[in-house]
Amino acid sequence: EADIYQTPRYLVIGTGKKITLECSQTMGHDKMYWYQQDPGMELHLIHYSYGVNSTEKGDLSSESTVSRIRTEHFPLTLESARPSHTSQYLCASSEYGAGNEQFFGPGTRLTVL
Amino acid sequence: GNSVTQMEGPVTLSEEAFLTINCTYTATGYPSLFWYVQYPGEGLQLLLKATKADDKGSNKGFEATYRKETTSFHLEKGSVQVSDSAVYFCALDLNFGNEKLTFGTGTRLTIIP
Repeated sequence: EADIYQTPRYLVIGTGKKITLECSQTMGHDKMYWYQQDPGMELHLIHYSYGVNSTEKGDLSSESTVSRIRTEHFPLTLESARPSHTSQYLCASSEYGAGNEQFFGPGTRLTVL
Repeated sequence: GNSVTQMEGPVTLSEEAFLTINCTYTATGYPSLFWYVQYPGEGLQLLLKATKADDKGSNKGFEATYRKETTSFHLEKGSVQVSDSAVYFCALDLNFGNEKLTFGTGTRLTIIP
């Protein structure tokens, strides 16, 4: 079983609120990722990190921001939530090197009213 | 650019039927290929992988062979069970560069008893 955790699992919040989605892993992986999964199941990479103090934008533009101050922790923040941010957010991590498995957390389902 | 095209769903089969989910890819170089599975309410987990041409990945009765000549990585299982009901994602990871996964759009599989 993968040791990667996301909290909260479900979040319902009003428009304009600031939110932080937590992601932690205990495997010592340098690489971490955030994906947005739409209702049609498709996955979109929105942020990734190669290690502490490294953050990069993914393939899908997102209004969210991320930080990587500790290896095990990769939180995602939305400064002002909007209904268009309603989605499933999945965090993942992996070791360096090609062909390595990405381990996924259980996801956070965010609903913005 | 790099892309993964997989069979559109949803796919509905009876228990013990033979399963094939098609996956083809476009990539520069020689990617690693993966199948990930997502059970209801969970994150993705690796089902199987192959890192070079002609390799066969296998797990839980599922198999897929890396076919460079046809740029394919089709997922097969000889006899499906109700517990195989899930969403299946084909993905590739370039064996150089920043090693981000490129996912297909996912195929929802439902097995009827």
